[in-house]
Amino acid sequence: EVQLVESGGGLVQPGGSLKLSCAASGFTFSDHYMDWVRQAPGKGLEWVARIRNKANSYSIEYAASVKGRFTISRDDSKNLLSLQMNSLKTEDTAVYYCARVKLGGPPNKAFDNWGQGTMVIVSS
Amino acid sequence: EIVLTQSPGTLSLSPGERATLSCRASQSVNSNCLAWYQQKPGQAPRLLIYGASSRATGITDRFSGSGSGTDFTLTISRLEPEDFAVYYCQQYGTSQGFTFGPGTKVDIK
Repeated sequence: EVQLVESGGGLVQPGGSLKLSCAASGFTFSDHYMDWVRQAPGKGLEWVARIRNKANSYSIEYAASVKGRFTISRDDSKNLLSLQMNSLKTEDTAVYYCARVKLGGPPNKAFDNWGQGTMVIVSS
Repeated sequence: EIVLTQSPGTLSLSPGERATLSCRASQSVNSNCLAWYQQKPGQAPRLLIYGASSRATGITDRFSGSGSGTDFTLTISRLEPEDFAVYYCQQYGTSQGFTFGPGTKVDIK
């Protein structure tokens, strides 16, 4: 069974930092692209970041709203996805989900498994 | 960045009725890289449809997706009580942001 378990959320002051983790199990983690998606309270979904697999040089992309502040990384030896969040703003308050990208060609690359999410609150 | 618009914002229907949800993109979506997700309160989203029309693993055939280019549709043939939720479309055909639509809430009439 595919499992994605996020951790590391909490309350942080504006300008502060936080590191989220996503522990993966039940599948070959190293084969998949992995993403972070967030959802502000009562709002819709916002894609945050992607990291591709080794075969695609671990290339990375970020949403414009977090570029330069957030860093996505992965450790395939530990089946672990991370998101380092610096210079946090109140508008970064959200539930952060890690999501697995489905294998296959471009039409397949939807998010086929999601974690339960971890809440990040940025407030003074 | 491709902007997705979903309509209607809220759809009020009764169990057994047919639901038709629309997703329109500001520019053509490459290779029909369009997905639909269902989200219930307090839960993570669940993939329903990918590639505009392919059902994800374990998804009932009451859900179907169609469309291409800039206009896409999710149809729920006969609403069951568990189908009342929020539905999001997402495009993933460009590296300039894998954008989501604002969502359509399907609630009980």
